[in-house]
Amino acid sequence: EAQVTQNPRYLITVTGKKLTVTCSQNMNHEYMSWYRQDPGLGLRQIYYSMNVEVTDKGDVPEGYKVSRKEKRNFPLILESPSPNQTSLYFCASSPGGLENIQYFGAGTRLSVL
Amino acid sequence: GQQLNQSPQSMFIQEGEDVSMNCTSSSIFNTWLWYKQDPGEGPVLLIALYKAGELTSNGRLTAQFGITRKDSFLNISASIPSDVGIYFCAGQETSGSRLTFGEGTQLTVNP
Repeated sequence: EAQVTQNPRYLITVTGKKLTVTCSQNMNHEYMSWYRQDPGLGLRQIYYSMNVEVTDKGDVPEGYKVSRKEKRNFPLILESPSPNQTSLYFCASSPGGLENIQYFGAGTRLSVL
Repeated sequence: GQQLNQSPQSMFIQEGEDVSMNCTSSSIFNTWLWYKQDPGEGPVLLIALYKAGELTSNGRLTAQFGITRKDSFLNISASIPSDVGIYFCAGQETSGSRLTFGEGTQLTVNP
């Protein structure tokens, strides 16, 4: 089954403790992206990747890192999480090119205390 | 960055009623997408629009790509309880560029 898989689905952590949220897609998509969703703000893009070893900042990249060492995986790294990073995070992938229809994972709800 | 305004922010309707929501952009888009997000899930694509003036249906859902290319509309006819969720519009300026999402419309359907 074609899907985007995020782990973990739920995470509670404390300020400053490094964490990684994994994202994997099995559709051989070139484009992958991370979003955060906050009430009243919709989906805001954090980082995206057009292909392996190519990553770019989205609209809200501060406090986040990503890597794209292989096509299927696009982990999101919070080196020193802070409470304002408490949010619902979504990974998405798409074939890229003309039709940028993005397929989303089920989400990761992160709470930073 | 891009400005994409979606309205209304929320709607409370009775089962069987029709629903309309829209998005407007500060600049021209080449692609408009409409997604639905069920509680506890990621957004799922409902309809994709690629041409100005295009009108596309998916069951009870109909979406239109505005003629000015700066807006799009989504209509749901004869709503049912499972239509509950958050509806997002998304626009893409040019081929291969990033998607910009609207703030979402929270739909509640009372049986």
